[in-house]
Amino acid sequence: GAVVSQHPSRVICKSGTSVKIECRSLDFQATTMFWYRQFPKQSLMLMATSNEGSKATYEQGVEKDKFLINHASLTLSTLTVTSAHPEDSSFYICSARQGAVEKLFFGSGTQLSVL
Amino acid sequence: GENVEQHPSTLSVQEGDSAVIKCTYSDSASNYFPWYKQELGKGPQLIIDIRSNVGEKKDQRIAVTLNKTAKHFSLHITETQPEDSAVYFCAASIRTGFQKLVFGTGTRLLVSP
Repeated sequence: GAVVSQHPSRVICKSGTSVKIECRSLDFQATTMFWYRQFPKQSLMLMATSNEGSKATYEQGVEKDKFLINHASLTLSTLTVTSAHPEDSSFYICSARQGAVEKLFFGSGTQLSVL
Repeated sequence: GENVEQHPSTLSVQEGDSAVIKCTYSDSASNYFPWYKQELGKGPQLIIDIRSNVGEKKDQRIAVTLNKTAKHFSLHITETQPEDSAVYFCAASIRTGFQKLVFGTGTRLLVSP
């Protein structure tokens, strides 16, 4: 299957700082990327959908000014958690779709811990 | 909106036994149903998927069945091995501009040697 690379795998930051997470499709062009959040022992919650060259579409209840998404190229999307607080601590996972193909391929996830 | 229910939440089997995980969905327009395996601290890995025009699909020890009338789909793992131990998620597609996936609540599968 296609490879999606996500970095960093783990980040610890102080409250009030911003953290950027990168998601790259390594062997295909991803016209659409998705960002999920997952709490321990829970399912994946979709945060937003990003399409290359356009603004991200956020799910209800997700603060767009808090979670900044940039899909600047067909192989890279970034999620920036701004002014992070302890309640933002979670496992963040990106996924990517190649064109109109339905299959979604996931990155390895980023464990964010805000102190 | 689409709702996907998944059962059981935990499943313990002996090595070599079969495991079955079941999901139901609510949106009759859903037409794509993938299954993902997630190991601790990692992202989900697509293991098998099925489209609505097919009733069954098999890949070695893994099979998925779909009953569109009843809005049920199931994952079947035969000859389970300890390395099959993980959390399994089903998902169903929804169309709202972009095609998105709605995930089930997950099944923690434990295969004991």
